[in-house]
Amino acid sequence: GAVVSQHPSWVICKSGTSVKIECRSLDFQATTMFWYRQFPKQSLMLMATSNEGSKATYEQGVEKDKFLINHASLTLSTLTVTSAHPEDSSFYICSASTAAGGLYEQYFGPGTRLTVT
Amino acid sequence: GQQVMQIPQYQHVQEGEDFTTYCNSSTTLSNIQWYKQRPGGHPVFLIQLVKSGEVKKQKRLTFQFGEAKKNSSLHITATQTTDVGTYFCAVRFSGYALNFGKGTSLLVTP
Repeated sequence: GAVVSQHPSWVICKSGTSVKIECRSLDFQATTMFWYRQFPKQSLMLMATSNEGSKATYEQGVEKDKFLINHASLTLSTLTVTSAHPEDSSFYICSASTAAGGLYEQYFGPGTRLTVT
Repeated sequence: GQQVMQIPQYQHVQEGEDFTTYCNSSTTLSNIQWYKQRPGGHPVFLIQLVKSGEVKKQKRLTFQFGEAKKNSSLHITATQTTDVGTYFCAVRFSGYALNFGKGTSLLVTP
């Protein structure tokens, strides 16, 4: 099946610094990639949708200047958390979509656990 | 905005008992997906339901899509400790993005 990787799997950073998270589709080309955030014991909340070569579409309430998304190729999307604060500590999960059979299968990466101190 | 409601939020069962989680939408859905997330892990795709009244089985798991395509259920027969985790339904209201239910956390004690 389709595999999506994320790097790093966990990161600890100091308040005020920036962190970049990579999401790669390893064996398929992803037409669309999604970024989700999950706080402890809560559901996944969609942050943004990105298509290769175009600007990401952010969900209401997500600061696009704080969460920078770059989708440079059909296999790579990056999320940069700028000027991170402790409240940004969360589990960030990407997923990649390909129009397989018209049903738009979505494959999730293993997630990145961010802790801001 | 549109959302899918999932109940119950938590379920604690003894090993061997059955378990069911439900998702409901106020609007007709084109399809619904189910995911399982183990503690500390990421969501893993279980199944997608598309047709009205559809029933699919995976070993002890039975998935149903309502006739009106507004609700769905996941039923686990004779739970095992390996079934522990949070089960999410997810739907697309528009576009490609998935909207997740709040999830049902299942705890199974031996």
